[in-house]
Amino acid sequence: ILNVEQSPQSLHVQEGDSTNFTCSFPSSNFYALHWYRWETAKSPEALFVMTLNGDEKKKGRISATLNTKEGYSYLYIKGSQPEDSATYLCAFIRYRGGGADGLTFGKGTHLIIQP
Amino acid sequence: DVKVTQSSRYLVKRTGEKVFLECVQDMDHENMFWYRQDPGLGLRLIYFSYDVKMKEKGDIPEGYSVSREKKERFSLILESASTNQTSMYLCASSPPQPYEQYFGPGTRLTVT
Repeated sequence: ILNVEQSPQSLHVQEGDSTNFTCSFPSSNFYALHWYRWETAKSPEALFVMTLNGDEKKKGRISATLNTKEGYSYLYIKGSQPEDSATYLCAFIRYRGGGADGLTFGKGTHLIIQP
Repeated sequence: DVKVTQSSRYLVKRTGEKVFLECVQDMDHENMFWYRQDPGLGLRLIYFSYDVKMKEKGDIPEGYSVSREKKERFSLILESASTNQTSMYLCASSPPQPYEQYFGPGTRLTVT
């Protein structure tokens, strides 16, 4: 089983502050790295799908970077809002001969935005 | 609007019963996946399928089997349910690489 680690496990942030968290994954046989947002009572939804070293993606106030050589990705949230409260998951996909393997998820970072 | 549906939101079964969890997607996706989610353990992949009648083991396939007879449907089977299979089960589908997942609403299974 692959080791995909997310830190911190949980985070309390004041509304309006910016924050970031980390996903670390194996630095070999990289295929793709995904970020998902999982709100309470809903299904996880994809935020970013990243495939190239140095990738930077942005969606509104949320952005992500990717370093495949050292095996980490950062997710940034600028000017946190209460609706950003959710669990953020990263998922690593390993390359294997002929294509990709299944997804291995980290345990997530649980983000709570305090008004 | 993309849609993945699961047959039940809540299910209660007895130990030893055979349990079928059904997942249907309407996006014509080739790939389908079954996960379970447990507190402190996160989402773990049970089985996935890249095509009709094809299946591959994920990280925790023991005690489970799957069936994919049609492209839109992927079933998870618990041959003889046990209490340690009490969990939230999530189905997902994805287009070809890089496999962005579209999740269903989940089935909370309790085995007593």
